[in-house]
Amino acid sequence: QVQLQESGPGLVKPSETLSLTCGVSGYYISSGYYWGWIRQPPGKGLEWIGSIFHSGSTYYNPSLNSRVTISEDTSKNQFSLKLRSVTAADTAVYYCARHRATYSSVDCWGQGTLVTVSS
Amino acid sequence: QSVLTQPPSVSGAPGQRVTVSCTGSSSNIGAGYDVHWYQQLPGTAPKLLIYENNNRPSGVPDRFSGSKSGTSASLAIAGLQAEDEADYYCQSYDSSLSGWVFGGGTKLTVL
Repeated sequence: QVQLQESGPGLVKPSETLSLTCGVSGYYISSGYYWGWIRQPPGKGLEWIGSIFHSGSTYYNPSLNSRVTISEDTSKNQFSLKLRSVTAADTAVYYCARHRATYSSVDCWGQGTLVTVSS
Repeated sequence: QSVLTQPPSVSGAPGQRVTVSCTGSSSNIGAGYDVHWYQQLPGTAPKLLIYENNNRPSGVPDRFSGSKSGTSASLAIAGLQAEDEADYYCQSYDSSLSGWVFGGGTKLTVL
């Protein structure tokens, strides 16, 4: 049973960098699949942030591309999100997720973690 | 404004059938990209309900079905139950944006 678990600070100051990690159990991220991040502002819909393939190649939401970096650490079986220069508009529940291909559905979600941007 | 358009809300009585629409364009659904549907219960992560337009993952009741035609897709829920009350989201890929797009979500109320 694959399980994903987000971790990181729940509060980030404006203009700083949001950093989250997704720990994966039950599957080696180096074995395949894409690993991504999706966020949901309070009371709003879902927004895809970006994904990384097990080879290390990445693709990002163009609206966030200049501020986002997704990386992987296969030795720890985890992948990470960095979002720079955050504002209050980046306040959201952040989910990590697994998907089989570029255009495919998410077949496994983390439980989500709320990150609030505030001074 | 979401790239994929969903009605904000739908409702139905227990036992009835409801549909949720997802309208896109020629750069996403109309370009042939698959549509996927998720159910999100309050306070929880989304759960995959329908993948690749009309396929149900193991464990999803056959009361849920999906279809796609032209630039739109639909999710149908038959035999409504109280536990179906949730938010529903469609997802596809957009070639002009080179990335995933989601609908704005539809809140289903079981009367």
